[in-house]
Amino acid sequence: DAKTTQPPSMDCAEGRAANLPCNHSTISGNEYVYWYRQIHSQGPQYIIHGLKNNETNEMASLIITEDRKSSTLILPHATLRDTAVYYCIVRVNRDMRFGAGTRLTVKP
Amino acid sequence: DTGVSQDPRHKITKRGQNVTFRCDPISEHNRLYWYRQTLGQGPEFLTYFQNEAQLEKSRLLSDRFSAERPKGSFSTLEIQRTEQGDSAMYLCASSPGAVGADTQYFGPGTRLTVL
Repeated sequence: DAKTTQPPSMDCAEGRAANLPCNHSTISGNEYVYWYRQIHSQGPQYIIHGLKNNETNEMASLIITEDRKSSTLILPHATLRDTAVYYCIVRVNRDMRFGAGTRLTVKP
Repeated sequence: DTGVSQDPRHKITKRGQNVTFRCDPISEHNRLYWYRQTLGQGPEFLTYFQNEAQLEKSRLLSDRFSAERPKGSFSTLEIQRTEQGDSAMYLCASSPGAVGADTQYFGPGTRLTVL
């Protein structure tokens, strides 16, 4: 599975959009981009995934560049409860390879 | 709640004791995974089941670790002769086994502390 690069930490003001970047320059054509988040002491929570097209669900939007070498997770109106570690993973195989993720802190 | 459940949520044991954790996957999910997470790190893959068959094991899974999924439903992870280095969060996930995008859903984890 391809490796991902994420900034270690980010801050966001409550009510504003949080844009979390992920670089996956070695992604293969059949690898999906997955995003999970982990709130302290809980199991990872699935957010969204995509292959080529941009995706949106009730939690977030996923923007994948045309060359698929990077993506951005967008939380449109961040709340204090969105404070968590966000993991970007690219995979086609069975197991998930988690990196260190981005620690997002939403501030009042 | 129909999500992945794990039991117990917390376990404190003394070094050298055996411990067993249970995972109940989402109903009808035929794939089940175990991960370990130490403080400040992302989860690390341990092993994976397709129905009752254990198909993949990580090198992290030493001889003291054993996992079973006898009827293709719930799974157990046993650690024998625990060591302080085994202290971690043990996470279970399940997925439907779809071709292509096969999304894994995680349980709340079992936090193990070895004294």
